[in-house]
Amino acid sequence: AQSVTQLGSHVSVSEGALVLLRCNYSSSVPPYLFWYVQYPNQGLQLLLKYTSAATLVKGINDFEAEFKKSETSFHLTKPSAHMSDAAEYFCAVSVTGTASKLTFGTGTRLQVTL
Amino acid sequence: DAMVIQNPRYQVTQFGKPVTLSCSQTLNHNVMYWYQQKSSQAPKLLFHYYDKDFNNEADTPDNFQSRRPNTSFCFLDIRSPGLGDAAMYLCATSRDPGTGEQYFGAGTRLSVL
Repeated sequence: AQSVTQLGSHVSVSEGALVLLRCNYSSSVPPYLFWYVQYPNQGLQLLLKYTSAATLVKGINDFEAEFKKSETSFHLTKPSAHMSDAAEYFCAVSVTGTASKLTFGTGTRLQVTL
Repeated sequence: DAMVIQNPRYQVTQFGKPVTLSCSQTLNHNVMYWYQQKSSQAPKLLFHYYDKDFNNEADTPDNFQSRRPNTSFCFLDIRSPGLGDAAMYLCATSRDPGTGEQYFGAGTRLSVL
């Protein structure tokens, strides 16, 4: 079975600083990996996804993530944080053959300060 | 735009009074999911439909039921809501076979009085 671990339930950065949210996965077969963002009282919005093409994946709002098989990681980064980036971020993994079921991490709340 | 729509956005019900939440999609996806999300937690999958095939998660209480009358609509029925069922309920869709990418609605916030 696959799993996802997100290190750090809360991350605080200053506006303009680098954002780094960590995600490590476990899967016995090549995974598909996702980052979702959730704003208060909203559903989940897909930021980016890794589907076995390029290992560096670019998403919306200048977010990107790099798939590193040797480290089983899929960390999310953004060069310069904006106040509007404050939200909950979920890393998720899926494996084909399981009716596209996602396994979510526990989430990381990003706070952006002035 | 193609999307996943949940109605209502906010629902208040009384303890023990049945409630139905609605989800519709214009993506024509064959898989639809219902999640329960409590405060500061990840979404928890309750069940999903693969076309007309219903797939219940092992730990989903019997109090939760679902119907999918056609491809576009899916309903979540809570037969006797308890205080512990107050949560955000999220509907999502995906196309299978595929990458597993799911498209989420905005959610319904359920309060139980």
